[in-house]
Amino acid sequence: DIVLTQSPDSLAVSLGERATINCKSSQSVLSTSNNQNFLAWFQHKPGQPPKLLTYWASTRGSGVPDRFSGSGSGTDFTLTISSLQAEDVAVYYCQQYYSSPITFGPGTRLEI
Amino acid sequence: EVQVVESGGDLVQPGASLRLSCAGSGFTFANHNMGWFRQAPGKGLEWVANIKEDGSEKYYVDSVRGRFTVSRDNAKNSLYLQMNSLRADDTAIYYCARGSPGWISDFWGQGTRVTVSS
Repeated sequence: DIVLTQSPDSLAVSLGERATINCKSSQSVLSTSNNQNFLAWFQHKPGQPPKLLTYWASTRGSGVPDRFSGSGSGTDFTLTISSLQAEDVAVYYCQQYYSSPITFGPGTRLEI
Repeated sequence: EVQVVESGGDLVQPGASLRLSCAGSGFTFANHNMGWFRQAPGKGLEWVANIKEDGSEKYYVDSVRGRFTVSRDNAKNSLYLQMNSLRADDTAIYYCARGSPGWISDFWGQGTRVTVSS
């Protein structure tokens, strides 16, 4: 199974500042067949369903504000929130869909 | 408007069975892979099972394989999760999610709560 680790476990950032969350995979999730990284980021707020932020490591999901951006390739990935807003308080998860079982990182709690 | 709505969650005793349902609307259900995920109390997200758009392929996490069965009825725009031999560690909120594109879970329902306790 592919194991994803995230850092930090939790993060406090001031409003308007940049937040950076890292995700490291135990093996590459870069497909040689389509040159895409099978890595997604989700935002999860209490009492709400998870929301897809990015997929293929850097493609933003539908309706996702452009302050959210994903980057990285192979085994190392980053989610960046360029200017933190109050509504961004949540737990953020990376997920690999390169191979079964689909796995998630343990989550990073983001606070103001 | 895309919607997926889960139902069927309940409080059951260990060893019992339960069937979860997920109704999709606002999209062509038969054109999408679908998946089940869960979140146990105080824990992170966990993938449970996936099913291909035509039902020809099914995948499970090891902890539920042989106990849970994922199925779908495209004529009814519905996804199911039959859960047998339930255990306390199956206690969680169960989410249904649409795959688009492929296995990327782009839209999730609000979830249904399953509690396994004596």
